[in-house]
Formats: sequence, structure tokens, C-alpha cells
Amino acid sequence: QVQLQESGPGLVKASETLSLTCTVSGGSISSGSFYWSWIRQPAGKGLEWIGRIYTSGSTNYNPSLKSRVTISVEASKNQFSLNLTSVTAADTAVYFCARDHCRGSSTTCYSHYWGQGMLVAVSS
Amino acid sequence: QSVLTQPPSASGTPGQSVTISCSGSNSNIGRKTVNWYHQLPGTAPKVVIYSNNQRPSGVPDRFSGSKSGTSASLAISGLQSEDEGDYYCAGWDDSLNCWVFGGGTKLTVL
Repeated sequence: QVQLQESGPGLVKASETLSLTCTVSGGSISSGSFYWSWIRQPAGKGLEWIGRIYTSGSTNYNPSLKSRVTISVEASKNQFSLNLTSVTAADTAVYFCARDHCRGSSTTCYSHYWGQGMLVAVSS
Repeated sequence: QSVLTQPPSASGTPGQSVTISCSGSNSNIGRKTVNWYHQLPGTAPKVVIYSNNQRPSGVPDRFSGSKSGTSASLAISGLQSEDEGDYYCAGWDDSLNCWVFGGGTKLTVL
């Protein structure tokens, strides 16, 4: 059974960089044809897709965050990471990592396995 | 303001049926498939419908999805208390080149 677990600082200062890691167990991050995604959810609000990385290393980002986001894979550690620069209070949210399964094309996917989520607060 | 539009709330009594709508545009639902996620408080979302009308293994056949034009719907029959929670529709947007979500619908089983 594939499992994902987010980790990183739970508190980040405004204007600094938020860095989170998602550790994958129960399967290799390099095998298969999967996308690895980050999604976030401010308290009491809806889901916001941040971006994803494919097994090959290609990425897609939410245009509203693109200038500040980098997603990367560290295959040797079976992890993928999220870096979000110049954070503000608006970036305070629960951050989820997920493995996406795709059928036929890169736009017919769904997030099948999710991490439990990690709350990251931005302090002023 | 979400790209996909859902009603903020829905409700029904045990055993009843309920339908949740999701409205989009020609750049997303109109040309791409739709997924539906169910989220309980404090937990990660779980997919209940993918590719408009496909149920993952383990999801009861009480859940069904459909799509017509730029709108999609999630129908739940034989409502049970465990069906309570938030439901989100999601799809790829060709103009934004990213996944977009609906604002979520809070389902209450009365």
C-alpha cells in the first residue's frame, strides 16, 4: 500500500521560503507513470492545486503561484519537495501531497493517494 | 472565487438521494473529465468519482457521476450518515494549464 507523509517546519516567517518534503513508502517514486502533486487548503476554505511533477521531472504549476513555486524530486530518498518563496499570511494552510493516477493523458488524472496533510503557519 | 462553481451546501435525510452540481466552462468541464472528492473534517480528500463517472474500487455504487456540456453532477442515493462532509469537483483547465477545484459543497445528512 502506497503511503505519503508530509514533513517540514510548521511555522515560517513572512517573506521567507516554505519548504516541505513528501516521503513516499510502499512504492518507488521513480517507477510507473505517475504525477506527484501538492495541494493546499486554508483553514475553513476549499482546495487549491499548487503544482505537480512527473516521473520524468517535468512540472506544471498553478499560474497564480508559478513565480514562487518549485517542485522537485529526490529519487534516491523516495521523496519530492515543495519550495514556496516570499510567503505571506495568505500562504497559511494545510499542505497535502498526493500521487496522481492518469488515464490516457496528463489531463485525465485523479489524486488517488494522499498524505495526511501538514499545517504550515506564516508568522509576521 | 473558484473556477468551478458548486452550491455551498446540500442536505438530505437517511435513505434519500441528493445531487451536487459543478458548473464550469469550455476551457475545463466542457472539454475535460471531472473528478469528485469527499473530505471529512481533519482528513485528506478521497476520490469518489473520476473521469466523470468512474468509481474507484471500494466506493459504493450509491455514488454516481455525470457530465453534460460545461456542467457535472455527483449523485448519492440511499444517503448514509457517513456520507456527510465536503465534496469537491475538480478538472483540468486548458486555458490556465492547471487543475482547478470547485469551492466545495457541505453535505449534511439530517
